[in-house]
Amino acid sequence: EVQLAESGGGLVQPGGSLRLSCEASGFMSSSYWMSWVRQAPGKGLEWVANIKQDGSEKYYVDPVKGRFTISRDNAKNSLHLQMNSLRAEDTAVYYCAREGNRKAFDYWGQGTLVTVSS
Amino acid sequence: EIVLTQSPDFQSVTPKEKVTITCRASQSIGSSLHWYQQKPDQSPKLLIKYASQSFSGVPSRFSGSGSGTDFTLTINGLEAEDAATYFCHQSSSLPYTFGQGTKLEIK
Repeated sequence: EVQLAESGGGLVQPGGSLRLSCEASGFMSSSYWMSWVRQAPGKGLEWVANIKQDGSEKYYVDPVKGRFTISRDNAKNSLHLQMNSLRAEDTAVYYCAREGNRKAFDYWGQGTLVTVSS
Repeated sequence: EIVLTQSPDFQSVTPKEKVTITCRASQSIGSSLHWYQQKPDQSPKLLIKYASQSFSGVPSRFSGSGSGTDFTLTINGLEAEDAATYFCHQSSSLPYTFGQGTKLEIK
């Protein structure tokens, strides 16, 4: 069974840093592009970043460029998101998602909440 | 950036009713359009990929159609468990974008 489990969320002050992780099981994550998607409280979905199977290509949404870094460790079947210079508007539930056939997000984790507040 | 606009934003419907949700893209995206269902306090779940392909395990009452800029999600014979917010998503070009969501309330 395909499962994704995020961790690392929490309360952080503006300007602070946080590292999210996503552990994959039930499939070889090294065979798939992986993404982070976030959802601010009561709001819609926003794609944040993705990374190619071998980590050679990474893409980001404009508001996080230069502040967030996506990475993966295929040996450990894990995905990460290093978030620096956090702002109040980064407050959201962060989901990791597998990009399956046709680049649809076919599996999602349960999400981890990041709250940026003083 | 490709903007996706869903309509309606909210709909109150009765069980067994047929429901249609539309998603319009700001430019042609071929068939690179996917639909998700999100229930309160849950993560989104894929329903339809590539405009019209049902994802594994999704009930047959859910179907999708369209191409280019106009797409439709149809629920034939609504059930109480379908109360949720539905999102469309394009993977034609980066950044990937989502529609604003359509909330379905069951009367």
